[in-house]
Amino acid sequence: AQTVTQSQPEMSVQEAETVTLSCTYDTSENNYYLFWYKQPPSRQMILVIRQEAYKQQNATENRFSVNFQKAAKSFSLKISDSQLGDTAMYFCAFMTIYNTDKLIFGTGTRLQVFP
Amino acid sequence: KAGVTQTPRYLIKTRGQQVTLSCSPISGHRSVSWYQQTPGQGLQFLFEYFSETQRNKGNFPGRFSGRQFSNSRSEMNVSTLELGDSALYLCASSLAGRGAGAGEQYFGPGTRLTVT
Repeated sequence: AQTVTQSQPEMSVQEAETVTLSCTYDTSENNYYLFWYKQPPSRQMILVIRQEAYKQQNATENRFSVNFQKAAKSFSLKISDSQLGDTAMYFCAFMTIYNTDKLIFGTGTRLQVFP
Repeated sequence: KAGVTQTPRYLIKTRGQQVTLSCSPISGHRSVSWYQQTPGQGLQFLFEYFSETQRNKGNFPGRFSGRQFSNSRSEMNVSTLELGDSALYLCASSLAGRGAGAGEQYFGPGTRLTVT
């Protein structure tokens, strides 16, 4: 069975600084998807970024980028130029390509951005 | 394009009652998944429907059930409610295909269920 681990329950960063959130996962599969989702206080879950395991190039979306290390089963999220609106819970999630609509989530990291 | 909508947004029920939650996916999305979010257990997959068929099911008791209609709208039902069923229930929709955007799920705002 696949598992996703987020070892940082809480993190904080000053506005305009850079922060990295960690995620590790366990799977015996070779092809899969990894995601970062953001859940602000409004509770609306928002897709931040997606990575396909068979692509070596790290995904980027504006200020958000990932460091995908397949051999180490590591998938960290880097937020550059942090903004107050980035304050939220961040969830790392795994999905196999064979069960394309079942997300397995980590426990989340609460990120607080300070002015 | 309108996002995923869920109704009702808040619900209070008593133990033993049953409840039905509704989810309308993004237009064109054929897959609907349901998740339960609690402080203790985090986010857990309930089930997924595609073309009116349940494709995947999580590890939940049979009191939790769902269905999908021909227009892709989905409902989930919880019978004989227990205090532990109090949670935020999230619905997500996706295109359910391969290729660009494969696997991407878009979530609704959730239904907050409180069981007293």
